[in-house]
Amino acid sequence: KQEVTQIPAALSVPEGENLVLNCSFTDSAIYNLQWFRQDPGKGLTSLLLIQSSQREQTSGRLNASLDKSSGRSTLYIAASQPGDSATYLCAVRQHTNAGKSTFGDGTTLTVKP
Amino acid sequence: EPEVTQTPSHQVTQMGQEVILRCVPISNHLYFYWYRQILGQKVEFLVSFYNNEISEKSEIFDDQFSVERPDGSNFTLKIRSTKLEDSAMYFCASKAGAGNTIYFGEGSWLTVV
Repeated sequence: KQEVTQIPAALSVPEGENLVLNCSFTDSAIYNLQWFRQDPGKGLTSLLLIQSSQREQTSGRLNASLDKSSGRSTLYIAASQPGDSATYLCAVRQHTNAGKSTFGDGTTLTVKP
Repeated sequence: EPEVTQTPSHQVTQMGQEVILRCVPISNHLYFYWYRQILGQKVEFLVSFYNNEISEKSEIFDDQFSVERPDGSNFTLKIRSTKLEDSAMYFCASKAGAGNTIYFGEGSWLTVV
């Protein structure tokens, strides 16, 4: 059974810092991995999707990497802003087609002005 | 940008009552999902739906739950005889193809009293 762990559970940084969020998974036979952002009481906003054959994906100030063999992914946020404050979730999908995604607990990020 | 829409945003129901949560997935998407998130816990997979049938379901998705795609646009989750522990945020999601990004709605917050 796939287990997804995210470290740290919470992180507080001053504005402008670069930071890294970590995601690990127990079964490396994944199809893809997706990073989401969740604001309190809101839905999940997709940030980046990495296919199992890819090593990284970039979107603006965000960069996600994937090391499938070691069961790890990182989300790098450059030059953090107060608006980045949210919970960041990673989710792994193991099968093609309609395969389910298994989520981690998330990292709650607070960026202080 | 196209989005997944869910109604109602919040529903309070008496224990034992039936509820129907509604979703309009993104047009031309083929894969549909329901997830739930109990307050303070992980996002959990409930069911996936493709080609007018259930593709996969979790152990949570027992006979109390059912899904339907009654027409070309709506995707519903019915919960019969609700229990206190069914209180959660229910998310609908959809994606266009097998390896594509999955998009989530804003959620329907269900409170069973």
